[in-house]
Amino acid sequence: AQKITQTQPGMFVQEKEAVTLDCTYDTSDPSYGLFWYKQPSSGEMIFLIYQGSYDQQNATEGRYSLNFQKARKSANLVISASQLGDSAMYFCAMRPPRYNFNKFYFGSGTKLNVKP
Amino acid sequence: NAGVTQTPKFRVLKTGQSMTLLCAQDMNHEYMYWYRQDPGMGLRLIHYSVGEGTTAKGEVPDGYNVSRLKKQNFLLGLESAAPSQTSVYFCASSSLGERWNTGELFFGEGSRLTVL
Repeated sequence: AQKITQTQPGMFVQEKEAVTLDCTYDTSDPSYGLFWYKQPSSGEMIFLIYQGSYDQQNATEGRYSLNFQKARKSANLVISASQLGDSAMYFCAMRPPRYNFNKFYFGSGTKLNVKP
Repeated sequence: NAGVTQTPKFRVLKTGQSMTLLCAQDMNHEYMYWYRQDPGMGLRLIHYSVGEGTTAKGEVPDGYNVSRLKKQNFLLGLESAAPSQTSVYFCASSSLGERWNTGELFFGEGSRLTVL
């Protein structure tokens, strides 16, 4: 069975510092997609970044980067130069291989608080 | 740019009442999903659909029914609401993506349901 684990229920970071949000996953399939979403207090889900299991390089999108370590089955989100607007819940998700690709699996989330 | 639209945004029900949540997407996506979000549990998949006229069960389908009579609409029904169904419900849609696993989920704004 597929499983996503986010072990940090809550985190604090000082404004302008970098922060890493942890995500590990469990799958026996060699091919999958990994996603990170942001949920601000207003409630909407915002797509941040994607990493494919066969991608050779770590994904980056502006201040977001994904530290992908396939052998360790980890897909940590790194936010550089934190801003107050980064305070939100962050969810890691996985999209399994083609035969089961419709099911996205989500972790329980990490609540990030950015301090001024 | 409507994207994914859910109605209603808020609803209060009494135990035993029925209701339907409507999800509409204008992106011509094949795949649509209903998730529920509860504190500390992330998002859990209730039902999903891979195309018009098809539906399938997710992780927590009990107490819910769905229908997808038109490609753009995905309805979630509660036949006899229970307090355990108090939650925030998210509809989402996705395409297959350029590669089979790159299509991210596009979410609606969420519907907060309270069952008394």
